Amino acid sequence: ETGVTQTPRHLVMGMTNKKSLKCEQHLGHNAMYWYKQSAKKPLELMFVYNFKEQTENNSVPSRFSPECPNSSHLFLHLHTLQPEDSALYLCASSQNLAGGGGSDTQYFGPGTRLTVL
Amino acid sequence: GQNIDQPTEMTATEGAIVQINCTYQTSGFNGLFWYQQHAGEAPTFLSYNVLDGLEEKGRFSSFLSRSKGYSYLLLKELQMKDSASYLCAAWDSNYQLIWGAGTKLIIKP
Repeated sequence: ETGVTQTPRHLVMGMTNKKSLKCEQHLGHNAMYWYKQSAKKPLELMFVYNFKEQTENNSVPSRFSPECPNSSHLFLHLHTLQPEDSALYLCASSQNLAGGGGSDTQYFGPGTRLTVL
Repeated sequence: GQNIDQPTEMTATEGAIVQINCTYQTSGFNGLFWYQQHAGEAPTFLSYNVLDGLEEKGRFSSFLSRSKGYSYLLLKELQMKDSASYLCAAWDSNYQLIWGAGTKLIIKP
């Protein structure tokens, strides 16, 4: 049972399209994360937000633009993507940023399966 | 560089026991996580170990040896629903979470 929801679950877009992924957490957490998951590769951390403020950008191309209007919602705006950006995009949240022990466990949403044509 | 190694795929029989190994090389260490991920679904938290030893949660147990940089997840009385990918991840000294590529576990009747 996770209190993290993501929409849409599946998205197909052309390289010139603009789309947005949405994540919402119902756990009262303060930190939220975007990850990229490609087949047979480790999860890649993209962005981290803590109390709505971005604390980490892992050298992500500017065609990915995150937005965090409040601690419960996180968006990932997409534009002019490349076929290699096709992947599962996972959102996660944790009570706090890591550093305090098990309470900083990350809880994941089901992901958006993105296909770029 | 920092790295997590775990087998790509394992096969086991329903009702049996399987051990999924994970070795880590990180700059410092602040704990290790195991997650379960069914195809097309969210990774779900299974366990967190920061001290050496075995932690048991029902049919699942997780073991950690900090001196060896090694952990395993032990699944007992395997059920078909245990077919999933199992992800190992470790916190380094800066609490960066280093992820393995996951182990796909296939359960056969």
